[in-house]
Amino acid sequence: AQSVAQPEDQVNVAEGNPLTVKCTYSVSGNPYLFWYVQYPNRGLQFLLKYITGDNLVKGSYGFEAEFNKSQTSFHLKKPSALVSDSALYFCAVRDIRGGNTPLVFGKGTRLSVIA
Amino acid sequence: GAVVSQHPSRVICKSGTSVKIECRSLDFQATTMFWYRQFPKQSLMLMATSNEGSKATYEQGVEKDKFLINHASLTLSTLTVTSAHPEDSSFYICSARDRQGSDEQYFGPGTRLTVT
Repeated sequence: AQSVAQPEDQVNVAEGNPLTVKCTYSVSGNPYLFWYVQYPNRGLQFLLKYITGDNLVKGSYGFEAEFNKSQTSFHLKKPSALVSDSALYFCAVRDIRGGNTPLVFGKGTRLSVIA
Repeated sequence: GAVVSQHPSRVICKSGTSVKIECRSLDFQATTMFWYRQFPKQSLMLMATSNEGSKATYEQGVEKDKFLINHASLTLSTLTVTSAHPEDSSFYICSARDRQGSDEQYFGPGTRLTVT
């Protein structure tokens, strides 16, 4: 079975500082990995994904994530946080062998960027 | 990019009534759609997987007679909450995967259901 763990409910960071939102995953085969962001009362917005290839994936709004197979991690990072980055972030995984299996989400991490 | 719409975005209904939520893929054909439910400050919980032209597959603990899912065409899936109760109040989000089996799911903007 697939699962995703986001160990932090809340991450606080000062504006201009680097930010990291952690994610670890568990799948039987090779993973498809995703990050989404959600603003209040809105749906999910896609940030980035890892399918194959380069372990460092660059996405929208200056975010990036690094796939680490040995640590089964896919942490989201940004070199310099903005107040507008404050939102709820979800990591998701899908088993590459899974055919039509859906994405499985972590519980989410609330990012608060303080001016 | 691929767009998924949901209607309505917000609905208030009385206990005992039924509510239908529509999910449409606007610029692609979706052989598979997924319905998620999100409680306040919690993650998305998969309710069911809907394949065009066949019965939906429900996750454990989701009542199929209460949450009726119909995927009648390649661009439309509906979720009907029957005999709604206040505990059904939640944020419902649909997602669609395109016909070519793309690895990406496209998400709708969500529907906020409030049952009074």
